[in-house]
Amino acid sequence: SQELEQSPQSLIVQEGKNLTINCTSSKTLYGLYWYKQKYGEGLIFLMMLQKGGEEKSHEKITAKLDEKKQQSSLHITASQPSHAGIYLCGADNGGSQGNLIFGKGTKLSVKP
Amino acid sequence: ETGVTQSPTHLIKTRGQQVTLRCSSQSGHNTVSWYQQALGQGPQFIFQYYREEENGRGNFPPRFSGLQFPNYSSELNVNALELDDSALYLCASSVQGRGETQYFGPGTRLLVL
Repeated sequence: SQELEQSPQSLIVQEGKNLTINCTSSKTLYGLYWYKQKYGEGLIFLMMLQKGGEEKSHEKITAKLDEKKQQSSLHITASQPSHAGIYLCGADNGGSQGNLIFGKGTKLSVKP
Repeated sequence: ETGVTQSPTHLIKTRGQQVTLRCSSQSGHNTVSWYQQALGQGPQFIFQYYREEENGRGNFPPRFSGLQFPNYSSELNVNALELDDSALYLCASSVQGRGETQYFGPGTRLLVL
């Protein structure tokens, strides 16, 4: 079965610094989703990548999917306290119903 | 906000009891998926409902069951609650089909004592 590994597990950065979170899949990714979650709350959709080499940006967050479609990265530029939370990558499991398999998440703290 | 709502927000039950969680999907979405998220873990897929029928199931026992109604809202029922069922239960709504983004509700926090 497919597994997603996220790194690092947690991250503490100073406000204004850049950071990168990685998501590696044990199998080829058909669709890779990035979500943000505040502690104990629902998931907020950030971006979805499908094509090898694809890159998408929204405000100060950029997500990339590598050419082999087995690894994705999420990059935050000039981090702000509002970026704090848990970032989860999810992958389409390849089944007909399109349910998602998730990594364990990366907890981001931003120090003002 | 996604337009996906869940109730209740928090719930405390004792072992052996039964619980029903509810989810209203986003307007225009016909599919609801349920996930269980234990503390410190990513969400785990429980099952999905489409056109009022179960359309896929994860590795959860039969005491986890669900319903979908004609207005696409959904219920998750858990019988014979166990301590390990304590978790955040998330529902996500989407349009049926692979590659369609799932939008999540705020979750229901269940504590089993």
